[in-house]
Amino acid sequence: AQSVTQPDIHITVSEGASLELRCNYSYGATPYLFWYVQSPGQGLQLLLKYFSGDTLVQGIKGFEAEFKRSQSSFNLRKPSVHWSDAAEYFCAVGTSYDKVIFGPGTSLSVIP
Amino acid sequence: KAGVTQTPRYLIKTRGQQVTLSCSPISGHRSVSWYQQTPGQGLQFLFEYFSETQRNKGNFPGRFSGRQFSNSRSEMNVSTLELGDSALYLCASSLGFEGSEAFFGQGTRLTVV
Repeated sequence: AQSVTQPDIHITVSEGASLELRCNYSYGATPYLFWYVQSPGQGLQLLLKYFSGDTLVQGIKGFEAEFKRSQSSFNLRKPSVHWSDAAEYFCAVGTSYDKVIFGPGTSLSVIP
Repeated sequence: KAGVTQTPRYLIKTRGQQVTLSCSPISGHRSVSWYQQTPGQGLQFLFEYFSETQRNKGNFPGRFSGRQFSNSRSEMNVSTLELGDSALYLCASSLGFEGSEAFFGQGTRLTVV
């Protein structure tokens, strides 16, 4: 069965520091991979997605993610975190017919 | 273009009642998916509708049902509410093709007392 794990429940970083959020997936075929962000009381916003091709994907708000098939990973990175990046981040894998399986999420806190 | 609209934003119901939530997708989107979000279980897929047909279903009891209308608007119904049904219910719309991007509404916060 498809599954997504995010090993870090909560991460705290200082503003201006770099960030890496980990994501591992289990899926039999080539997956569609997504990173979403959710601010308190809001819905989810897509940061970036991987379908095929270049394994380094650029997204909005300065985020990028790298797909590593050998490690079944799709880690999210940002070189310099801003206070407004504090939110919940979800990694997700898309299967056929638009069914998306979400990871448990990583809560990001940013220290000024 | 207008985003995904979910109504109402907040609901308080008592155990045993039923509730209907509504989702209006982005114009042109034919797929609507529903998710339940709770602190303990995270985001869980309920079901997905495409062109008025349920195309995918998660592992929820039959008390959870949905439908989609010809204009792609969707409703989700929960009957015989339980305390554990308290959650944020999120709706997402997309073009419905494999791997297409899902756009989420702000959700309906359901509290069962």
